[in-house]
Amino acid sequence: IAGITQAPTSQILAAGRRMTLRCTQDMRHNAMYWYRQDLGLGLRLIHYSNTAGTTGKGEVPDGYSVSRANTDDFPLTLASAVPSQTSVYFCASSDSWTGSYNEQFFGPGTRLTVL
Amino acid sequence: GQNIDQPTEMTATEGAIVQINCTYQTSGFNGLFWYQQHAGEAPTFLSYNVLDGLEEKGRFSSFLSRSKGYSYLLLKELQMKDSASYLCAVMDSNYQLIWGAGTKLIIKP
Repeated sequence: IAGITQAPTSQILAAGRRMTLRCTQDMRHNAMYWYRQDLGLGLRLIHYSNTAGTTGKGEVPDGYSVSRANTDDFPLTLASAVPSQTSVYFCASSDSWTGSYNEQFFGPGTRLTVL
Repeated sequence: GQNIDQPTEMTATEGAIVQINCTYQTSGFNGLFWYQQHAGEAPTFLSYNVLDGLEEKGRFSSFLSRSKGYSYLLLKELQMKDSASYLCAVMDSNYQLIWGAGTKLIIKP
């Protein structure tokens, strides 16, 4: 693994189904983030984790949950998918959550379509 | 509320110079970031400004005026590979990044 990886690359999901998007980094970064990116809008923060064992809510957390059991992994779960969750999801990580060390490195993204 | 404004789209000619502006209104300020995002790819870091003034990095420079809530990204000697979206993001008082919608830069030969 080099950097930050996400799985799956893309997914079509029926409304009401549960789905977990996976994210793994090998840079030993303390902080990790989940964003969604929709056409015409900026990246919007869903959830974040400043260190392993802690998580926090971002701008648009409803319908999503996360866990951070260890440094490397930060899965995002949609408990019951709805069409408005159709988006491109990016996972990111940074060495620290403050200052210039907050330079965030992004995974390749997951394109999710909810029908 | 918090707001980041950037032009939606700009067009420039290969070899020329282009300036992409970003204005912001946020609750607190802990730095401003510029990222580049090619179509279908992830954003990648370009620059970080926390103090007023110009930061130069090769063909790219970024300027910040905190009193005016204003930044710009200057791209010199444009190349076709610079065709991408450029994202402005401000770190607020909670150390969370607030992102603009991005400026799509089209480079013509």
